[in-house]
Amino acid sequence: KQEVTQIPAALSVPEGENLVLNCSFTDSAIYNLQWFRQDPGKGLTSLLLIQSSQREQTSGRLNASLDKSSGRSTLYIAASQPGDSATYLCAASSGAGSYQLTFGKGTKLSVIP
Amino acid sequence: DGGITQSPKYLFRKEGQNVTLSCEQNLNHDAMYWYRQDPGQGLRLIYYSQIVNDFQKGDIAEGYSVSREKKESFPLTVTSAQKNPTAFYLCASSTTGYSNQPQHFGDGTRLSIL
Repeated sequence: KQEVTQIPAALSVPEGENLVLNCSFTDSAIYNLQWFRQDPGKGLTSLLLIQSSQREQTSGRLNASLDKSSGRSTLYIAASQPGDSATYLCAASSGAGSYQLTFGKGTKLSVIP
Repeated sequence: DGGITQSPKYLFRKEGQNVTLSCEQNLNHDAMYWYRQDPGQGLRLIYYSQIVNDFQKGDIAEGYSVSREKKESFPLTVTSAQKNPTAFYLCASSTTGYSNQPQHFGDGTRLSIL
């Protein structure tokens, strides 16, 4: 059974710093990995989806990488801003046609002005 | 704007009562999902539906029921059999049920016990 871990549970950085959020998964037969953002009391916003055939995806200041062999994905945020403060969740899907995502518990990011 | 609408935002359940959470989408998505989120926990799948009139149990379906009579709507009923219903409930949809498509989420319903 797929398990997804995100460490640390919380992270605080000064504004302008580049940072990396980590996500690890136990089943390397991954179909894709998704990164989401969740603001307090809100739903999830999809940030990036990396398919198993891809190594990375970029959107603006965000870059996500996927290394299936090591069971790891990272989300890189460049030049962090206070508006980036939120909880970031990763979710792994195993097997083509799998409808289920296995979510990590998230990393709560605080960007200090 | 296209999106997913969940209502109500807050809901309170009395002992022995069934309550229904609404989820409506105008994205023309075939697949819809219900998740439960508890504090400090990852999301857990309750039910999912790939097409109209079809749905499948997720990891924690006991005490819940769903219907999918229309493409746009996927209501979730929390029955009295669910002994610990207090949680944040999230509805999502995707273009198809194949997971190479990102899931889009509503803003959630927070359910509490009176």
